[in-house]
Amino acid sequence: GQNIDQPTEMTATEGAIVQINCTYQTSGFNGLFWYQQHAGEAPTFLSYNVLDGLEEKGRFSSFLSRSKGYSYLLLKELQMKDSASYLCAVRDRPGAGSYQLTFGKGTKLSVIP
Amino acid sequence: GAGVSQTPSNKVTEKGKYVELRCDPISGHTALYWYRQSLGQGPEFLIYFQGTGAADDSGLPNDRFFAVRPEGSVSTLKIQRTERGDSAVYLCASSLMDPRGEQFFGPGTRLTVL
Repeated sequence: GQNIDQPTEMTATEGAIVQINCTYQTSGFNGLFWYQQHAGEAPTFLSYNVLDGLEEKGRFSSFLSRSKGYSYLLLKELQMKDSASYLCAVRDRPGAGSYQLTFGKGTKLSVIP
Repeated sequence: GAGVSQTPSNKVTEKGKYVELRCDPISGHTALYWYRQSLGQGPEFLIYFQGTGAADDSGLPNDRFFAVRPEGSVSTLKIQRTERGDSAVYLCASSLMDPRGEQFFGPGTRLTVL
């Protein structure tokens, strides 16, 4: 079956850096996504990794190691508006089949002054 | 351009009733997904459409749940004989069929079964 683990909650200070980890065990692998979800709102896309290594996009970076089944999302220069849940999701079916995502339970990040 | 829209935003119903939830995907997106999200959980896959056909319905919990997409655009998720355990936020997403296949989510329908 599919299993995606990430911490339930994290707290960090405004202006600091925070790393949110995600480990996964899936029957296949065809990409890992990070989504941000503010309370009561839809998830919004942050990053996509399909090859090993670091993808940087402004204040947000995401890393993937397929051999370890591990990813992290790095948020720099934290702002109060970054307080949200961060969802790790794996697309676990290769090729042109279903593109469904399997999500972790999400990490609720609280940014404090 | 317009994003994914879902109606209604909130639906309160009584146990045993029938409900329909609607999703309007982004124009040109051939792939459409339904997910269900309970409080404190990540979205859980229900069904995936490629065009008009349900390519993968393995996430539907039982035969009370059914979804259609007759013209390959708007989709309707139908739940018969609702139960209290069906209460959740139902999210719809759409995507292009490119290698990344980034999914764009709608705001969801919050379903409450009393």
